[in-house]
Formats: sequence, C-alpha cells, structure tokens
Amino acid sequence: KQEVTQIPAALSVPEGENLVLNCSFTDSAIYNLQWFRQDPGKGLTSLLLIQSSQREQTSGRLNASLDKSSGRSTLYIAASQPGDSATYLCAVSTGANSKLTFGKGITLSVRP
Amino acid sequence: KAGVTQTPRYLIKTRGQQVTLSCSPISGHRSVSWYQQTPGQGLQFLFEYFSETQRNKGNFPGRFSGRQFSNSRSEMNVSTLELGDSALYLCASSLIGRGIQNIQYFGAGTRLSVL
Repeated sequence: KQEVTQIPAALSVPEGENLVLNCSFTDSAIYNLQWFRQDPGKGLTSLLLIQSSQREQTSGRLNASLDKSSGRSTLYIAASQPGDSATYLCAVSTGANSKLTFGKGITLSVRP
Repeated sequence: KAGVTQTPRYLIKTRGQQVTLSCSPISGHRSVSWYQQTPGQGLQFLFEYFSETQRNKGNFPGRFSGRQFSNSRSEMNVSTLELGDSALYLCASSLIGRGIQNIQYFGAGTRLSVL
C-alpha cells in the first residue's frame, strides 16, 4: 500500500528565503508525482507534475525533483514571498488512472 | 476555459439524511475523481469515473456512491449521514490518454457539515 509522508507539518520562514519542502513515498513504482498548493478553504492548484521517467520540473520560482529509487521528491521555492503562504501537498499516482495518494501536506508561512 | 465546478459550495445536514454533490469537469475531460479531505485523515480517494464507468474505488463504505453522466458530469451520494462524514469533498478532472500528462484539476470543493 502506497504511503506518502511530508515532514514537517508546518514551516515558518522570513520573506526572501530559499526553501525546500520534502516528500517521501514507500512504493517506488510510481507513474507520476504532483505537487499541489491549497489555500485555506479552497481547492487544490496543481503546481508541477513529474513523470516517473523525469528527474525534475521547473515553473518560475518553483523546482521539483524526483528520485524514484530512494522514494523522495523535493519542492524548491526560490526567494519566498508572503503570497507563497499556503499548504503544499505532494501526491503520487501508481498507474495511468487518476487515483492519487496524498501526503498530509506542509503548511508554509512566509513572514514579511 | 471554465474550471472544475462543484455545487453546492456548502451543505448542512443532520445525521441519517442523505446528500448529493455535483461536479462538472473541464470541457473535454472524461475522467472525474472524488476525494474526501478531513483534518485528521487528510485527502483520501473515494472513486474515479471514466466514460460513465467506475474505474477505481477507495476504501469507503457502501454508503458512498457515485455516477457519471454521458456529458462527463458526475455526482456523488452519501446515504445515512454520520457525524464523521463532515468534510471537504473535492472533485478533480483530468484528460486521460496516451502521451498526455495526467494533471488533475480540482474544484473548490463542497464543505459538508453533519449535525
């Protein structure tokens, strides 16, 4: 059974800091991995998707990496801003179907 | 292009009642998945529908059911509501196909409160 872990559960950093959010999964036979952002009381916004054959994806100030063999992914946020404050969720898919297994998320607070 | 639309946004029900939630996917998306989000359990997969067929089901009791219509719109139903069913219910749609990135697009969710 696939399990996804995100530690720590919460993180507070000063504005401008570069930071790394970690995600680990137990079954390396994944199809893809997605990082999402969730603002309070809202739905999820897809940030980056990494296919199992890829090592990283970049979008603006965000960079996500994937190491399948060790069961790890990281989301790197450069030059953090208060607007980056949200919960960041990592989710893996083990097939071409749409079932995602989520971590519990990391709640990020960026202090002005 | 309109995003995933879920209705209603908020619902208050009492124990024992039943409820139906609706999800309209992004135009052209034929896969619709449902998730339950609670503070304790996080996001848990309920089921997925593709071309009106349930392809995948999570570990939830039979009180939770769903269906998909020919226009890809989906509904989920929860019968005999329990207090523990209080949650944010999220719907996601995706474009399934060979060589297509299976990015999931989520709606804003329906907040269900069971009293």
